[in-house]
Amino acid sequence: QQPVQSPQAVILREGEDAVINCSSSKALYSVHWYRQKHGEAPVFLMILLKGGEQKGHEKISASFNEKKQQSSLYLTASQLSYSGTYFCGTWNRDDKIIFGKGTRLHILP
Amino acid sequence: EPEVTQTPSHQVTQMGQEVILRCVPISNHLYFYWYRQILGQKVEFLVSFYNNEISEKSEIFDDQFSVERPDGSNFTLKIRSTKLEDSAMYFCASSGTEDYNEQFFGPGTRLTVL
Repeated sequence: QQPVQSPQAVILREGEDAVINCSSSKALYSVHWYRQKHGEAPVFLMILLKGGEQKGHEKISASFNEKKQQSSLYLTASQLSYSGTYFCGTWNRDDKIIFGKGTRLHILP
Repeated sequence: EPEVTQTPSHQVTQMGQEVILRCVPISNHLYFYWYRQILGQKVEFLVSFYNNEISEKSEIFDDQFSVERPDGSNFTLKIRSTKLEDSAMYFCASSGTEDYNEQFFGPGTRLTVL
């Protein structure tokens, strides 16, 4: 079952923060986050494994609440380079990784 | 820095023709994947491949599709008889020692079926 991402789109000014959510109706083993710029391939950001860990990557971090089957991606002090579409992919070990529809993030100068 | 490469970057074909999309995964990776992305839509899983066999495939990956690792470096996706709805960007990805670990995507092949 495809994870649900929210919001579908976000417009921010440079320096503002954003949160992108990803939720699943199935128990999850891991959540994967990717960013895709227009006309380019998806680029890996991070994986979160079952256990509620939080990870960080410069000013981008994420959390995983396995009980709620949710993950959130946090973008702080956004930069122009953060613009793109963010996909979460969920995996429960019994099936293939399934990507959400994506959240389009547009950063204005 | 090692990267996944794909050829061609753009393939135009007539409906009903066979196409082969080629990928060279990162050399020490063990897991290989094909994804499809129709313009403006989400990335869709097609197939995963490990130890010279398909480990997982989606409903999209029907009998018209096949994958091969013919020579230990290339990883190919063949579509036997293309349909208009096969028009999409096809991404190859590979990962290292664990299935569905960090996946490195190639730049994609844009397939246009006329």
